[in-house]
Amino acid sequence: GENVEQHPSTLSVQEGDSAVIKCTYSDSASNYFPWYKQELGKRPQLIIDIRSNVGEKKDQRIAVTLNKTAKHFSLHITETQPEDSAVYFCAASRGSSNTGKLIFGQGTTLQVKP
Amino acid sequence: SQTIHQWPATLVQPVGSPLSLECTVEGTSNPNLYWYRQAAGRGLQLLFYSVGIGQISSEVPQNLSASRPQDRQFILSSKKLLLSDSGFYLCAWSTAGVDETQYFGPGTRLLVL
Repeated sequence: GENVEQHPSTLSVQEGDSAVIKCTYSDSASNYFPWYKQELGKRPQLIIDIRSNVGEKKDQRIAVTLNKTAKHFSLHITETQPEDSAVYFCAASRGSSNTGKLIFGQGTTLQVKP
Repeated sequence: SQTIHQWPATLVQPVGSPLSLECTVEGTSNPNLYWYRQAAGRGLQLLFYSVGIGQISSEVPQNLSASRPQDRQFILSSKKLLLSDSGFYLCAWSTAGVDETQYFGPGTRLLVL
């Protein structure tokens, strides 16, 4: 069935360094890839998303890249700050599906050390 | 703008008791609705989704059920809670047939003792 693998499960970086989280997906029909940030005790919040017709998207310090041939996509956070510490989830979806179901990765706990 | 509400925010229930969690969405019509469960320190497990009133799809067999009595209301229920039902329950919505982006409610933290 559909599956999204996310790595690493935990990531610790120094403030100011970059962080990269990678996901691979199994369904070649997937064409929508969002990233969510979940702070402790809070709801997941969408931080960036990308569709299959583009290879990269940036929003200030965060960027997402997509390689459809290899079926993987990555989240890049530059100049990390302590407030970036959270759990990050990737997801994949078939855009044409009526259900709008997202297949989530297992999550990455990012710790940014001041 | 659209908003999503969940209640209660927290709940402590004894094993074997019933459960009813409610989710409502404002500012949109005919949304897709979803129930997720998140165990402590774990990922998001999709429990149910609905594409319309009375239409419920179950993702994981268990002692929970869901209902959608109105267009923007989604209810998660159980007749008898188990210890393993403890967790953070999240409701989410998306715009049917337009945008797959899901927006999450504030969640209900359930502790079964």
